[in-house]
Amino acid sequence: NAGVTQTPKFQVLKTGQSMTLQCAQDMNHEYMSWYRQDPGMGLRLIHYSVGAGITDQGEVPNGYNVSRSTTEDFPLRLLSAAPSQTSVYFCASSRTSLGYEQYFGPGTRLTVT
Amino acid sequence: ILNVEQSPQSLHVQEGDSTNFTCSFPSSNFYALHWYRWETAKSPEALFVMTLNGDEKKKGRISATLNTKEGYSYLYIKGSQPEDSATYLCAFRSDSGGSNYKLTFGKGTLLTVNP
Repeated sequence: NAGVTQTPKFQVLKTGQSMTLQCAQDMNHEYMSWYRQDPGMGLRLIHYSVGAGITDQGEVPNGYNVSRSTTEDFPLRLLSAAPSQTSVYFCASSRTSLGYEQYFGPGTRLTVT
Repeated sequence: ILNVEQSPQSLHVQEGDSTNFTCSFPSSNFYALHWYRWETAKSPEALFVMTLNGDEKKKGRISATLNTKEGYSYLYIKGSQPEDSATYLCAFRSDSGGSNYKLTFGKGTLLTVNP
């Protein structure tokens, strides 16, 4: 049981490049979410999903796309990277969206130059 | 955007001291309040999920209380140890429509326990 896994751990992109951050969980959790963590800002919700085929925007969705074709996977796509997207990204999952603890992945540190 | 405030921002205590910090959240449309512990270079780990007014939860030397009527939760650490050094995050889940599926985090309290 690996929990929540994220790849890559580190990534450097040039402005305008696109990439996908991968997130997978093996706990059969319905709810998955992506956060970004910036100094002084805490964790901010980017996008979330309450089940396969269902996604919605969080607090800071601009510049990011998500899809949820399976229960296990919830990739985050950066369409055209900008320096403002330099951050640490965390994926999390929970049993449902209602009142259960979230399990976090190890994070991806992204730098956009 | 929901307002979740944590105080103090940071705290230094000596080994053996007991300490506490506060999370404030909207007092209307309450659904759940989460506490997480976040060590440097690791991922946040859940401590408690609290859903009922008056809830008290305990895990070892760490405990938490919840007051949903006035919109606050306290986290207590008894007899702090250096390994308790971490950022403690609270997160609020509302019970109002679409925001029911979103967890809003505070900015955390950074606790440093000096040996």
